[in-house]
Amino acid sequence: GAGVSQTPSNKVTEKGKYVELRCDPISGHTALYWYRQSLGQGPEFLIYFQGTGAADDSGLPNDRFFAVRPEGSVSTLKIQRTERGDSAVYLCASSRGTPTGELFFGEGSRLTVL
Amino acid sequence: DQQVKQNSPSLSVQEGRISILNCDYTNSMFDYFLWYKKYPAEGPTFLISISSIKDKNEDGRFTVFLNKSAKHLSLHIVPSQPGDSAVYFCAASGLNNAGNMLTFGGGTRLMVKP
Repeated sequence: GAGVSQTPSNKVTEKGKYVELRCDPISGHTALYWYRQSLGQGPEFLIYFQGTGAADDSGLPNDRFFAVRPEGSVSTLKIQRTERGDSAVYLCASSRGTPTGELFFGEGSRLTVL
Repeated sequence: DQQVKQNSPSLSVQEGRISILNCDYTNSMFDYFLWYKKYPAEGPTFLISISSIKDKNEDGRFTVFLNKSAKHLSLHIVPSQPGDSAVYFCAASGLNNAGNMLTFGGGTRLMVKP
């Protein structure tokens, strides 16, 4: 498709489990971002990739969170030992990397930790 | 500490009238401001932006005003239409030289009544 694709759209898991969330950016977009949106709040920055490398991971809340983008396209956000507080919508966005800052977002993956 | 704030969680407007959504920021290093619109179960979509060197940008029914001295921006929608009902996020960029990381406000839910 032409837009940013995220899978799964919904994920329910139990506390302590491991989850992976996938993002397929717009073809040709070199920059990829992960954001987290909790209920009633705006998106919160987690990590930014330029190509294959994580250029800025300052938003990752702790070492249970990790993200990769091995071939510079698809990215996976990995959460270990999930906690109830991790429940949120995880948004992925991509951009051409221009200075205008326009990001194109996917529909998000809703994670619920029971 | 929230660097971008939207103090009105919701706004209700009659169809045909003007909608004014407000946003305040604290960091004078931001150099680009954007508005995103979000429908339920969809990712945010870009609406309009403004560079910090300008004080107004207009695109059809949407106009963004920037008051740098007050660290305040606003989005005007006129005339408002029922299809404009959505959550609007203000965002700012420019703090991260490595990429276009956006800092979002908490959002304002706009309801346009027919």
